[in-house]
Amino acid sequence: EVHLVESGGGLVQPGGSLRLSCAASGFTFSNYAMSWVRQAPGKGLEWVSAISGSGGSTFYADCVKGRFTMSRDNSKNTLYLEMNRLRAEDTAVYYCAKHVGEGSGFDPWGQGTLVTVSS
Amino acid sequence: QSALTQPASVSGSPGQSVTISCTGTSSDVGGYNYVSWYQQHPGKAPKLMIYDVTNRPSGVSNRFSGSKSGNTASLTISGLQAEDEGVYHCSSYTSSSSWVFGGGTRLTVL
Repeated sequence: EVHLVESGGGLVQPGGSLRLSCAASGFTFSNYAMSWVRQAPGKGLEWVSAISGSGGSTFYADCVKGRFTMSRDNSKNTLYLEMNRLRAEDTAVYYCAKHVGEGSGFDPWGQGTLVTVSS
Repeated sequence: QSALTQPASVSGSPGQSVTISCTGTSSDVGGYNYVSWYQQHPGKAPKLMIYDVTNRPSGVSNRFSGSKSGNTASLTISGLQAEDEGVYHCSSYTSSSSWVFGGGTRLTVL
């Protein structure tokens, strides 16, 4: 069974940094692109970033470009999201998700980890 | 990239059918057959219900179906059941090599 478990969320001050991790199991991790998707409290879903199976290509939403860096360690079946210069509007539950295929949907999703940016 | 447009809420009685629309542009919904739909219950992670416009993942009831016409995609749920209640999100791949979601539609089973 495919399983994704996020960790690393917490409370951070504006301008601070945080690194999220997503541990994957139950599938050949390096064969699949992965994404981070976030959901602010009471709001809809917002795609944040994606990475190819090899890790050679990364893609970012405009609102995080230059501040967030997505990476993966295929030897550890782990995905990362390095978040710098955090803002209050980055407060959200962050989910990692496996891509079904090129351009296709996301399945499954992890349980999410909450990031709160506040002083 | 602007969010896709979904109705804020829809409702239906048990056994009825409901359709949720998702409107984008030729740069996303209209340009690619990469529309997906997700069901989300309170406090839970989203669950994929439809991908590539019309495909159902294994384990998803055939009461759920997807379609697309031009820049608008639709999710139809037939034979409504109480467990279908929740928030439904649509998503599309875009010409900017990114993904965009709709604002979500709350489905109430009366």
